[in-house]
Amino acid sequence: AQKITQTQPGMFVQEKEAVTLDCTYDTSDPSYGLFWYKQPSSGEMIFLIYQGSYDQQNATEGRYSLNFQKARKSANLVISASQLGDSAMYFCAMREHSGGSNYKLTFGKGTLLTVNP
Amino acid sequence: KAGVTQTPRYLIKTRGQQVTLSCSPISGHRSVSWYQQTPGQGLQFLFEYFSETQRNKGNFPGRFSGRQFSNSRSEMNVSTLELGDSALYLCASSEDRVGGYTFGSGTRLTVV
Repeated sequence: AQKITQTQPGMFVQEKEAVTLDCTYDTSDPSYGLFWYKQPSSGEMIFLIYQGSYDQQNATEGRYSLNFQKARKSANLVISASQLGDSAMYFCAMREHSGGSNYKLTFGKGTLLTVNP
Repeated sequence: KAGVTQTPRYLIKTRGQQVTLSCSPISGHRSVSWYQQTPGQGLQFLFEYFSETQRNKGNFPGRFSGRQFSNSRSEMNVSTLELGDSALYLCASSEDRVGGYTFGSGTRLTVV
């Protein structure tokens, strides 16, 4: 079973509009962390935002916010006021225990976001 | 603060050869993880090193190996290259077991 599911292979948004990228996860670990990364065509993975499983409030970082619904196991990324430079692949990832005190980061398949002028 | 540095950026190798990739983490970070990214399989975890010890390993054949040096720099080696090993190899450094992960720009390996 997939640990991280991103159901939108591709998304389009108009410049200056907001967009939500979906992410659902599956884990039995009570202590986990959720990350969103942006990957432009150059290949580098750029950290956007982090949400811990025990965090009470939704994380925000500038134009990025994370809509964390723990009971539904979803961690959607919201990008406000989209810019042309936001066009990229977006990955949701989860850090969870992988045995003992070790952790592992598991990625979803990604969503390709295209911002139209 | 310098970021994560991966060298080389691009590599072309012939089937059957071996290759070594390098990753220098952010200063002070002791954990280095390696990932393989392909269009078909996405991002897959290879292994993680912490203080020169491999403490986590993904589901890859023994042809894939790595090590970490006392300065936290890590190398990844792939022996007897196969066409399917063509991928973007990313490394990530972390300050500790629960810290955030900072990725390098990756090494794009092409096996011909």
